[in-house]
Amino acid sequence: AQRVTQPEKLLSVFKGAPVELKCNYSYSGSPELFWYVQYSRQRLQLLLRHISRESIKGFTADLNKGETSFHLKKPFAQEEDSAMYYCANTGGSYIPTFGRGTSLIVHP
Amino acid sequence: EADIYQTPRYLVIGTGKKITLECSQTMGHDKMYWYQQDPGMELHLIHYSYGVNSTEKGDLSSESTVSRIRTEHFPLTLESARPSHTSQYLCASSDVTGLSYGYTFGSGTRLTVV
Repeated sequence: AQRVTQPEKLLSVFKGAPVELKCNYSYSGSPELFWYVQYSRQRLQLLLRHISRESIKGFTADLNKGETSFHLKKPFAQEEDSAMYYCANTGGSYIPTFGRGTSLIVHP
Repeated sequence: EADIYQTPRYLVIGTGKKITLECSQTMGHDKMYWYQQDPGMELHLIHYSYGVNSTEKGDLSSESTVSRIRTEHFPLTLESARPSHTSQYLCASSDVTGLSYGYTFGSGTRLTVV
């Protein structure tokens, strides 16, 4: 069975500092990876898809098959980035498995 | 506007009651999902559906049941609610692969069984 691991439950940084939220996956086939974000009192929403190689709200994520990772990065954190971030892999079944989430807190 | 809707948003119910959580989407998506999520915790897949008359159990064992009689509707039923069912339930939908636009989530139903 595939697994998605987010080792940090909480990440606390100051505004303007770089941010890296870690995500590792275990899957024998080709992964299909996503990052989702949940702001306070809002729905879970899509942030990034690895297939699109896009930058959203200054965030980027690169798939590293050698390290089986899909870490989310932002060079300069903003207070409005404070939220729960979930990494997900759909794998070959196209049924998403989510990690436990990382709470990002950006202090002023 | 195309979206996914969950009702009720909050529900407090007594032990032993039968409840149905509603989920409807107007995006024409084939696939729908139910996840259980405790606050700030990971999402656990409890049921999913590939389309009409298709239902599958997810990774998390659940005493709930689902049905998919219409494409847009995917209700979840608990025949006899227990305090251990207290949680947030999230409904989601996607196209066949979910790769193009990801998975769209509803606002959730926060269930409390007393």
